[in-house]
Amino acid sequence: DQQVKQNSPSLSVQEGRISILNCDYTNSMFDYFLWYKKYPAEGPTFLISISSIKDKNEDGRFTVFLNKSAEHLSLHIVPSQPGDSAVYFCAASDGSNYQLIWGAGTKLIIKP
Amino acid sequence: EAGVAQSPRYKIIEKRQSVAFWCNPISGHATLYWYQQILGQGPKLLIQFQNNGVVDDSQLPKDRFSAERLKGVDSTLKIQPAKLEDSAVYLCASSLSQRGTEAFFGQGTRLTVV
Repeated sequence: DQQVKQNSPSLSVQEGRISILNCDYTNSMFDYFLWYKKYPAEGPTFLISISSIKDKNEDGRFTVFLNKSAEHLSLHIVPSQPGDSAVYFCAASDGSNYQLIWGAGTKLIIKP
Repeated sequence: EAGVAQSPRYKIIEKRQSVAFWCNPISGHATLYWYQQILGQGPKLLIQFQNNGVVDDSQLPKDRFSAERLKGVDSTLKIQPAKLEDSAVYLCASSLSQRGTEAFFGQGTRLTVV
């Protein structure tokens, strides 16, 4: 029972263009969402988060959009840079259980 | 600021053997997590500590996995006996808050059971 799904195992984007990574969830109780970035042989690092009371959060080149009615969130990276090549994980939690539920990840490849 | 330290980085053992992993969290972080990440999947929480108490161990296979955080600082995760399906990366993370958000991860221990 996957409550958090990242349906694209990989995504290839030209340097300078926009990268859009998608995440779907199936638990309406989730109220906090996070994106983590992971390089090979390293642990995940926190990138950006959003609370369910918002529909958008920006941090520099990174913007997360939340569509609660569609139970969907997306991460936009503009402009994409070679250092953005990594695996991106979406994770979610609800207020009653502090456990984070993770998606399977999307491997982003930025082409020069 | 020193990050989350884990050791060893890699471990290869035969099935039915035992293995232990060590984690030293970021200083001052009361919450410590152990995750299992199987290839091609996202991390799965095994156990969460708040100081030296267990907050959540609902997904820890207690017949073979154990974890402790005796002094509320560093922690060990043990598997005994190991099975082939335990092959994974074991990640330790720590955070200031119990919520689990914005946790800081170590580099992980890659375990291969043969």
